[in-house]
Order: sequence, then structure tokens, then C-alpha cells
Amino acid sequence: KNEVEQSPQNLTAQEGEFITINCSYSVGISALHWLQQHPGGGIVSLFMLSSGKKKHGRLIATINIQEKHSSLHITASHPRDSAVYICAVRIYNTDKLIFGTGTRLQVFP
Amino acid sequence: NAGVMQNPRHLVRRRGQEARLRCSPMKGHSHVYWYRQLPEEGLKFMVYLQKENIIDESGMPKERFSAEFPKEGPSILRIQQVVRGDSAAYFCASSLGEGSNQPQHFGDGTRLSIL
Repeated sequence: KNEVEQSPQNLTAQEGEFITINCSYSVGISALHWLQQHPGGGIVSLFMLSSGKKKHGRLIATINIQEKHSSLHITASHPRDSAVYICAVRIYNTDKLIFGTGTRLQVFP
Repeated sequence: NAGVMQNPRHLVRRRGQEARLRCSPMKGHSHVYWYRQLPEEGLKFMVYLQKENIIDESGMPKERFSAEFPKEGPSILRIQQVVRGDSAAYFCASSLGEGSNQPQHFGDGTRLSIL
């Protein structure tokens, strides 16, 4: 079993839909990252959080430390949101990141 | 460009050659991380370096791979005698310092192809 599990693996949506991507982890962490990767492209850090909720534009990230679970929400999705979204956790007392396998999102007009 | 700079973006090598991948961290950042993304797989940690020191190399293959971050200049990931299985995207990230409140900023990666 992977230490970081994401669901779903693939997600398609119509433009304007509300999207949720989930991440569960089984190790002690000090922080969790949500990253975005476009095909053939680089990696952009969307959020780093260790508790509660963060919002940036149409993106919202939440984390529940007790349940070892985080969600990434996209409101009013747009085709340009199409990308792979990756959850990564920083192992407690280290600087090492462990990554989920990513969620491939496609938003159709 | 104040971001993490990786070069080259694409690198093609024949089996048995050496590959050198470079990473210049963001200005002021002294911590560098290398990650590998194999085709159709997730990212995996390789090595964590500070200036002139390897802090954690638990993700590095035991042979042919080495990394350095000298006092001056970029961090280098070196792969000797490359094999087909080394084909992957290699990403570098940097941070200001250690600790959970220091985010890692990623470069655009180097896509390594082995012929």
C-alpha cells in the first residue's frame, strides 16, 4: 500500500463543474503540498498546508490531520485547469517529500 | 527569472554515456532536492543537499548516480554509464531552509532520453 493515496486517478468534468480530488496518507507528516503538472511541463506548487484550509482564487485546499486526509477543490472549473494534480507529504522530522501518483483532470468546454 | 532553473530541458544520451543535469536554486535558497519521475509513475525522492553537504541520499540508486551542490555554482546530478531505465524526468526543487514552514519550489525538469 502506498503511503500517499489519491483518488480518483482520472477525472473528467464539464466546464463550470465543482471538482474534488482527495488525498489520504498513512505516515506522520509536518506539511502537505498540492502540486500541478501540465503535460510535458514543470511542477507548480499550489498549496502547502499543515492545518485547516487555504484558498487561492478558484482553488481551495483543506486538511484534517486527525483523519490524515486532504482535499483539493476547484470551483467553476475551466479547460485550462486540465492537468495532473499531485499530493505530496513532508515526513515528520525530515525534509523528504513522498508523492501520490497524481490525479489526471480533464475539463471539457 | 527568479525561479528554480534546470538545464538542459531535454537531454539525449546513448547507453553507456554520462548525463549531467544542472539545477540553480532560487536566489537565497541553500537547500536543493532532486526527484525522479519515471514514465507513467509518480515522483520519487532521490537526494537532499545543502551547500557542500549531502543531507539525505536515501533515494539515490547505489551505483552510477551522484549529486553535489558546491559552494559556488549549480547543483549537479550525475548519471554515469546510462541505461535505458534511466529515461525519466528529473526535477529539482529548492527551499530557503529546513523546516515544515519552508515550501519547496520546483523547476521545469530535465527530460532524459536514453537511446
